[in-house]
Amino acid sequence: EPEVTQTPSHQVTQMGQEVILRCVPISNHLYFYWYRQILGQKVEFLVSFYNNEISEKSEIFDDQFSVERPDGSNFTLKIRSTKLEDSAMYFCASRQNSGTGDKAFFGQGTRLTVV
Amino acid sequence: QKEVEQNSGPLSVPEGAIASLNCTYSDRGSQSFFWYRQYSGKSPELIMFIYSNGDKEDGRFTAQLNKASQYVSLLIRDSQPSDSATYLCAVRKGAGSYQLTFGKGTKLSVIP
Repeated sequence: EPEVTQTPSHQVTQMGQEVILRCVPISNHLYFYWYRQILGQKVEFLVSFYNNEISEKSEIFDDQFSVERPDGSNFTLKIRSTKLEDSAMYFCASRQNSGTGDKAFFGQGTRLTVV
Repeated sequence: QKEVEQNSGPLSVPEGAIASLNCTYSDRGSQSFFWYRQYSGKSPELIMFIYSNGDKEDGRFTAQLNKASQYVSLLIRDSQPSDSATYLCAVRKGAGSYQLTFGKGTKLSVIP
């Protein structure tokens, strides 16, 4: 069964460093998302991406964050200067435009630890 | 104002019983409703989705939606220990928005 894959599974970085989280969405999906979940808290929407541009973003997704689809298969989330409060599980999700409607499928997540 | 509310639990049910999970939402314009299961340290896994008022059944799972009461529920029949997880209710807002708003989740424990 097709699945969303994310790398790395765990990333440890020093405060102030840049990190790039990578995702390979399901191949025929057209909509891509990043969500995050701070330990013990709810899953929060960050950004959605369609047709090579951001379609929606939350208040969390400030200037420190950016997304890119560099090569037609990967979908990346960059955090420019990480803060301690960026420590969380980051989930990539993708959705097909038709057929499955608005069902979003999640990757296994990248646990980001900022020290 | 919390947008999607769930009882955090834990909800404990004996094996073979029916587990009932509830969710309320604040945005009357919400259009789509989802139940995800999340095992500890894992990603959300889609179980059910529902768009229209009434019941929708899929195997041991039944989702129920009442838009007038802004209420969504998930029933799990013949609960198994493997159903022990946190169940997340997620809501998609109105037309043009496909972001999901999640509740904090209800932790379910099925006791053998």
